[in-house]
Amino acid sequence: AQSVTQPDIHITVSEGASLELRCNYSYGATPYLFWYVQSPGQGLQLLLKYFSGDTLVQGIKGFEAEFKRSQSSFNLRKPSVHWSDAAEYFCAVASGSARQLTFGSGTQLTVLP
Amino acid sequence: DAGVTQSPTHLIKTRGQHVTLRCSPISGHKSVSWYQQVLGQGPQFIFQYYEKEERGRGNFPDRFSARQFPNYSSELNVNALLLGDSALYLCASSLTGTGYMNTEAFFGQGTRLTVV
Repeated sequence: AQSVTQPDIHITVSEGASLELRCNYSYGATPYLFWYVQSPGQGLQLLLKYFSGDTLVQGIKGFEAEFKRSQSSFNLRKPSVHWSDAAEYFCAVASGSARQLTFGSGTQLTVLP
Repeated sequence: DAGVTQSPTHLIKTRGQHVTLRCSPISGHKSVSWYQQVLGQGPQFIFQYYEKEERGRGNFPDRFSARQFPNYSSELNVNALLLGDSALYLCASSLTGTGYMNTEAFFGQGTRLTVV
């Protein structure tokens, strides 16, 4: 069965510092991977997605992610974090007949001034 | 264009009651999925509907049911509410229910259900 692991429950970075959020997946076939962001009390906004091709994908708000099949990882990165990036971040894999999303448990990002 | 709209935004129900949550997808989208997000966890898949037919069901009891209407809007129904059903219920719409390139899901802001 497919699964997604986000090892870091909470990460704190200073504004302007770089960021990397980790995501590991378990899926038998070629994975289709997503990163979503959720602000308090809000729905989920898609940051970026990987379907195939170039393993480095660019998303909105200056985020990027790199797919590494050998490590079963899809880590999210941003070179310089802004205070508005404080939110919860979810990694997900699409699978099953309905292509439903299986989410990780999320990483809460705090940004210090 | 309007995004995915869900109603109501909040509601409080008593144990044993029934609840209906509603979702209108993005115009042109034919697939609607429902997810449950318990506080502190990632969303969990409940149902997906495409062209009014159920395409997938997650590991939820039969108290949960859903349907999709000819205009592609959807309802999620939960019977015999339990305290553990308290959660944020998210609706997501996508163009189609098949083909990875078209299954990018756009989420609504959710319905916060509290069962007391």
